Amino acid sequence: EAGVAQSPRYKIIEKRQSVAFWCNPISGHATLYWYQQILGQGPKLLIQFQNNGVVDDSQLPKDRFSAERLKGVDSTLKIQPAKLEDSAVYLCASSLGGLLSSYNEQFFGPGTRLTVL
Amino acid sequence: GEDVEQSLFLSVREGDSSVINCTYTDSSSTYLYWYKQEPGAGLQLLTYIFSNMDMKQDQRLTVLLNKKDKHLSLRIADTQTGDSAIYFCAASKEGGFKTIFGAGTRLFVKA
Repeated sequence: EAGVAQSPRYKIIEKRQSVAFWCNPISGHATLYWYQQILGQGPKLLIQFQNNGVVDDSQLPKDRFSAERLKGVDSTLKIQPAKLEDSAVYLCASSLGGLLSSYNEQFFGPGTRLTVL
Repeated sequence: GEDVEQSLFLSVREGDSSVINCTYTDSSSTYLYWYKQEPGAGLQLLTYIFSNMDMKQDQRLTVLLNKKDKHLSLRIADTQTGDSAIYFCAASKEGGFKTIFGAGTRLFVKA
């Protein structure tokens, strides 16, 4: 079974530029998560989708970050414009069940390392 | 907001037991997790425990949960150099909703 795929693996941009990350979850997984992991910290949940609907985006900086999950499969996370403090690893995860599941293991992708200069 | 806290570093000798501790604030957390992250690699789920359990054992790993004190620990028996990594504690509600991670404990294993 293929894991969660993310691209690109690395990205370097200048502040005020835009950037987009792509995630392909494990086939059949209903729930998709985007996390931000700043160096030396744990992952912070940015947004959680169930199929193509948003179930939690309370920690997403909506003035500059946006995410979509068209057709309930792949997802993109965009930052526009980027700031220096956005430098981090962006992790995508997926899980089989939705909110009505009890235990719902998350499988993580390798992440995209973003450096904002 | 809700929080998960861990000590930042732990150093042990090869063959000894390691105990990594974690506290969380959200008493409605349903699942508590331990993840491992090695340099340049993604997060790997090691084990989890449901909030109505107080202990779970899986080979060299033992998880203890004190729900009253909101304290979670991970014990690794016979620690090996390959166990050197960052260990993250996490808590979530039903269905993986509102998952919160700690900052991670870096485990150093000395040969």
